[in-house]
Amino acid sequence: NFMLTQPHSVSESPGKTVTISCTRSSGSIASNYVQWYQQRPGSSPTSVIYEGSQRPSGVPDRFSGSIDSSSNSASLTISGLNTEDEADYFCQSYDSSSVVFGGGTKLTVL
Amino acid sequence: QITLKESGPTLVKPTQTLTLTCTFSGFSLSTSGVGVGWIRQPPGKALEWLALIYWNDDKRYSPSLKSSLTITKDTSKNQVVLTMTNMDPVDTATYYCARVDYPYYFDYWGQGTLVTVSS
Repeated sequence: NFMLTQPHSVSESPGKTVTISCTRSSGSIASNYVQWYQQRPGSSPTSVIYEGSQRPSGVPDRFSGSIDSSSNSASLTISGLNTEDEADYFCQSYDSSSVVFGGGTKLTVL
Repeated sequence: QITLKESGPTLVKPTQTLTLTCTFSGFSLSTSGVGVGWIRQPPGKALEWLALIYWNDDKRYSPSLKSSLTITKDTSKNQVVLTMTNMDPVDTATYYCARVDYPYYFDYWGQGTLVTVSS
């Protein structure tokens, strides 16, 4: 099986742009879709990116997803940060029969 | 409108079996490409996938927990049931069910239910 590694925490100022990485330990990041979920304190996770770069209905275009095969990583980029974006973010991918979540990244907007 | 809701005991004793039910509405588990999965989250920790079941009754389990998990569906009742045997205090967590868009995209989540394992 493989792991997805995320930074424990990131912080940035309102209005700025932040990128959260998700590195796959084995197997190609491009071989299976990556999803990203936002979890605000006390709430259930909600999807912000699916299939690598697709936004669910209702998610603002400030959220974008990409992959970098050279670093075997996926990234979630949030531009125009506001205090509502402060949350935990989890990446998720899979292989032939198993689902893996990253350890989560706490985003602080200060 | 798609909704999912988890139900089950809030407290179980070590070695007991946990049975959780996910009751959903707004979609059918007989629709091709649809599934329901279970994910848990210990307090302050990361999400951990447990199991999922697809419209065609194909079932997938976390390799590390496979021996203790069983997932079933009742399409007529719009329910999915997860059983986990031999519960341990480390299994204390919030348990979520979520709709799965094939193959592994959790697009709608329930509110979660906190299960505490303690004697």
